[in-house]
Amino acid sequence: QQPVQSPQAVILREGEDAVINCSSSKALYSVHWYRQKHGEAPVFLMILLKGGEQKGHEKISASFNEKKQQSSLYLTASQLSYSGTYFCGTPNLRSNDYKLSFGAGTTVTVRA
Amino acid sequence: GAVVSQHPSWVICKSGTSVKIECRSLDFQATTMFWYRQFPKQSLMLMATSNEGSKATYEQGVEKDKFLINHASLTLSTLTVTSAHPEDSSFYICSSLGPSGPMPFGQGTRLTVV
Repeated sequence: QQPVQSPQAVILREGEDAVINCSSSKALYSVHWYRQKHGEAPVFLMILLKGGEQKGHEKISASFNEKKQQSSLYLTASQLSYSGTYFCGTPNLRSNDYKLSFGAGTTVTVRA
Repeated sequence: GAVVSQHPSWVICKSGTSVKIECRSLDFQATTMFWYRQFPKQSLMLMATSNEGSKATYEQGVEKDKFLINHASLTLSTLTVTSAHPEDSSFYICSSLGPSGPMPFGQGTRLTVV
């Protein structure tokens, strides 16, 4: 079953912040985040494996609330290069099976 | 890090012909590869799971006789779209189980059937 992402789209000015949410009706054991630029394959951003875990790379970070069955991706002080569609992916089984179901995506547009 | 190479990056073919897409793991052995399809402005949908030396597992609604998957070696999986039609036009992407977990995606193949 696909996770649910929100919002569907967001428009930001450079330097602004945004939050993308990913939730599931089933128990989550890990959450994967990807960003896809137009016409390209998705690029891995990060994976969260444990409830309460938070990770970040530069000014993009994510948290994982296992109990609430949700994860959030935080774009801080956004840059033009952050534009793209962000997908969260969740595995179907409690294992190292990386057969992922992806959310519908959140399109982020960062303007100068 | 682990790299998955996918070829071709784009292909245009005539309706009724077959197209083969290759997915190679360059610096690791991939016992499992995944094939996804993505229509414009939509999410990635898993088509099938390819296991080296055995039959692929197809997701519900995916025709196994139309989308032939071969995973004959630990570094190569192929997807052949047989008797392609315009509705098969899509972005096809492969990925694999990397040695440290997170899946590297191939570059993707944009298929246009005319």
